[in-house]
Amino acid sequence: KNEVEQSPQNLTAQEGEFITINCSYSVGISALHWLQQHPGGGIVSLFMLSSGKKKHGRLIATINIQEKHSSLHITASHPRDSAVYICAVSGNQFYFGTGTSLTVIP
Amino acid sequence: NAGVTQTPKFQVLKTGQSMTLQCAQDMNHNSMYWYRQDPGMGLRLIYYSASEGTTDKGEVPNGYNVSRLNKREFSLRLESAAPSQTSVYFCASSVSGGPNQPQHFGDGTRLSIL
Repeated sequence: KNEVEQSPQNLTAQEGEFITINCSYSVGISALHWLQQHPGGGIVSLFMLSSGKKKHGRLIATINIQEKHSSLHITASHPRDSAVYICAVSGNQFYFGTGTSLTVIP
Repeated sequence: NAGVTQTPKFQVLKTGQSMTLQCAQDMNHNSMYWYRQDPGMGLRLIYYSASEGTTDKGEVPNGYNVSRLNKREFSLRLESAAPSQTSVYFCASSVSGGPNQPQHFGDGTRLSIL
């Protein structure tokens, strides 16, 4: 049983495309986190949100608490956005999704 | 700003050998964590330390021990390595153990057990 489900698992996009990654969760949470993991590298926290929407540069994260769903959007995608994006939720403990592998082709 | 530093970055062990993974953070965080990341699975918590002097088991603690040496350092020890412990290990820290605190991750240690 996965408390956090992400879709799609893999995503290939052309440079400039608008990208959406989805996250659904089944547990009660205090916050939802979006993380970025570059190949062979560490994990960086992009967003932490508990309601509404947050924006940082070309990245936008939204959450719908009632539907237990969050989306991460990337506008005007660039090859440097290629990475694994991980959704995690926190309440009594952290639960992590398996990640969405994004490849942006020039 | 170093953030969370893990050593070593790579290690190959033989079955039965012992190994300690080191983690240090310079952000004055109270809470520290050890995770393992395996293909097709989300990060899984091995052990955590909510504050200096305390440690608790996570989801997958068997075969591991930890030491919170001081506020900065949190080490993970494999006493007798097994092939099932082949994984990428991540250390993380947060200001406190509360759910509304983002975690800061190290670059990971890739460990192979032959």
